[in-house]
Amino acid sequence: AQTIHQWPVAEIKAVGSPLSLGCTIKGKSSPNLYWYWQATGGTLQQLFYSITVGQVESVVQLNLSASRPKDDQFILSTEKLLLSHSGFYLCAWSLRRANQAPLFGEGTRLSVL
Amino acid sequence: GEKVEQHESTLSVREGDSAVINCTYTDTASSYFPWYKQEAGKSLHFVIDIRSNVDRKQSQRLIVLLDKKAKRFSLHITATQPEDSAIYFCAASWSNNRIFFGDGTQLVVKP
Repeated sequence: AQTIHQWPVAEIKAVGSPLSLGCTIKGKSSPNLYWYWQATGGTLQQLFYSITVGQVESVVQLNLSASRPKDDQFILSTEKLLLSHSGFYLCAWSLRRANQAPLFGEGTRLSVL
Repeated sequence: GEKVEQHESTLSVREGDSAVINCTYTDTASSYFPWYKQEAGKSLHFVIDIRSNVDRKQSQRLIVLLDKKAKRFSLHITATQPEDSAIYFCAASWSNNRIFFGDGTQLVVKP
């Protein structure tokens, strides 16, 4: 069975500090991978997607970047956090074929102070 | 780009009654419509989806209806139970890489 693991579960960081969030998918080769952001009590905003290693497409600019260094790994990062980066970060995966619902990890809750 | 509007921001029903959440979309190219449930403090959990080649799909107590002409789709939860209380998100997609979400509906099932 496929499993998706996000780390860390939660982070409290200072404004201006760097950030790195990770996501690993096991049990499925060459998945599509996604990063989403959810403001507290808010809707979901897709940030990035990746269909293969080394290839990442940006959907919205939030002073964040993403990388896919391995087939099963997706990293979200920034060198300088803003207060507006606070929220819930969700990694998701789907099969390559069209029209399959992304399945989400447990998320990372980020508080920027 | 696509815009998905979720009409009910909150919905309160009595246990055992049906709940209906309505969504509309703008892009006629959208062909795939998943629904997710988010319990308090947790991630999103996929519950049901529908593709544009059908207009109705049922999975146990969940029914999804799609009206392509009106660009409208809805989630019907029958015989609601307290554990159905959560935020429900509708979404629409025309590409495997972009899925657009509604703003969510807080469903409260009262005993």
